[in-house]
Amino acid sequence: DAGVIQSPRHEVTEMGQEVTLRCKPISGHDYLFWYRQTMMRGLELLIYFNNNVPIDDSGMPEDRFSAKMPNASFSTLKIQPSEPRDSAVYFCASSLAGTGNQPQHFGDGTRLSIL
Amino acid sequence: AQSVAQPEDQVNVAEGNPLTVKCTYSVSGNPYLFWYVQYPNRGLQFLLKYITGDNLVKGSYGFEAEFNKSQTSFHLKKPSALVSDSALYFCAVRDIGDDYKLSFGAGTTVTVRA
Repeated sequence: DAGVIQSPRHEVTEMGQEVTLRCKPISGHDYLFWYRQTMMRGLELLIYFNNNVPIDDSGMPEDRFSAKMPNASFSTLKIQPSEPRDSAVYFCASSLAGTGNQPQHFGDGTRLSIL
Repeated sequence: AQSVAQPEDQVNVAEGNPLTVKCTYSVSGNPYLFWYVQYPNRGLQFLLKYITGDNLVKGSYGFEAEFNKSQTSFHLKKPSALVSDSALYFCAVRDIGDDYKLSFGAGTTVTVRA
């Protein structure tokens, strides 16, 4: 079975550039989550969607960050303009709805380095 | 509000010995509890979950976890650790009736020496 697919796996770019991270959730999953992982702050939830609709974006650090989910099989996380402190590993995860007890399935992440 | 604490940053055990990774949680209602494992350069992988019922939950790769409501704990255990169990382990909690957000612990690095 195909899991959550993220692209690119690695991204290195200079500060000020626009960065777009992509995610394809597991087919049939209702929820999609974007996380950021750093040594200092651990795993942080940025935003999550239910049936393509953003439900909670309180974790998005600044207006420079935006996320969209135009359809059930695709989501993007965009940073514009990027800054060195945005360097982190960004994960996408998806899950079934169920009664809220379904596990989240994670992609292998995008390692982002902003120079 | 919900939160998770993993009191140990690191756990070191010898191969063949029992492994325990500790987790305590805080929720206002009843919890859903999860354990995940992360290998280098990979995403988190689901190991097991507690929803309701039997306090001892069995999961993947020989892992199990014991839910203790009075101590608000959900410790992960494996009777005989393998070198391949060396990884980063995360405990997570969700308050039943709350939204779909999970709160993750800071993670515990497990090293199993041969």
